[in-house]
Amino acid sequence: QVQLVESGGGVVQPGGSLRLSCAASGFTFNNHAIHWVRQAPGKGLEWVAVISNDGNVKYYADSVKGRFTISRDNSKNTLSLQMNSLRGEDTAVYSCVREAILVVGVATYYFDYWGQGTLVTVSS
Amino acid sequence: QSALTQPASVSGSPGQSITISCTGTSSDVGGYNYVSWYQQHPGKVPQLMIHEVSNRPSGVPDRFSGSKSGNTASLTISGLQAEDEADYFCCSYATGSSYVFGTVTKVTVL
Repeated sequence: QVQLVESGGGVVQPGGSLRLSCAASGFTFNNHAIHWVRQAPGKGLEWVAVISNDGNVKYYADSVKGRFTISRDNSKNTLSLQMNSLRGEDTAVYSCVREAILVVGVATYYFDYWGQGTLVTVSS
Repeated sequence: QSALTQPASVSGSPGQSITISCTGTSSDVGGYNYVSWYQQHPGKVPQLMIHEVSNRPSGVPDRFSGSKSGNTASLTISGLQAEDEADYFCCSYATGSSYVFGTVTKVTVL
């Protein structure tokens, strides 16, 4: 069955860095674009970034642009999110989310599987 | 991007119909037919209920339907059942190759 398992969360000081990972299984990883979505405590969902199935196309939310980098290793079925210059407002549960496909390489703009998430806390 | 606006809560009796609205702008909901809806039970990951405004994935009961008018999308649950009690949120593709989520609606079955 499809599984997306995030790891790498923890407590980090403001200005610090953290790298999140998402291990995928149960499907052909390099067929799907994958997103990062976050939810701050008591707040709604916020889209963070997306990477295309082949890793060549990446988009970011304005709130993280220039600080976060999304990447993937299709040989290892893993997705990463490198987070630098972290701020208090980055505190959230970060989830990796699979974008549905009809045709490989063509965006569908909706999500069919979500991971449980990993908590990132930015605090001194 | 500001979050899409949804009512905080909607309730109905079993068998009734309820509608959840999702209001955005011409830069998201109104500008694209890429609105999706998700159901989330406590402690569970979200489940896709509707994609591209009104398309229902296989396995989703046909009592769930979606529509859009202008900058507002809607999810209707007809013939409300006890298992439909959950949180629901919408999501829209938005200008700038981004996405914006709704503010979450708690559905209560009376």
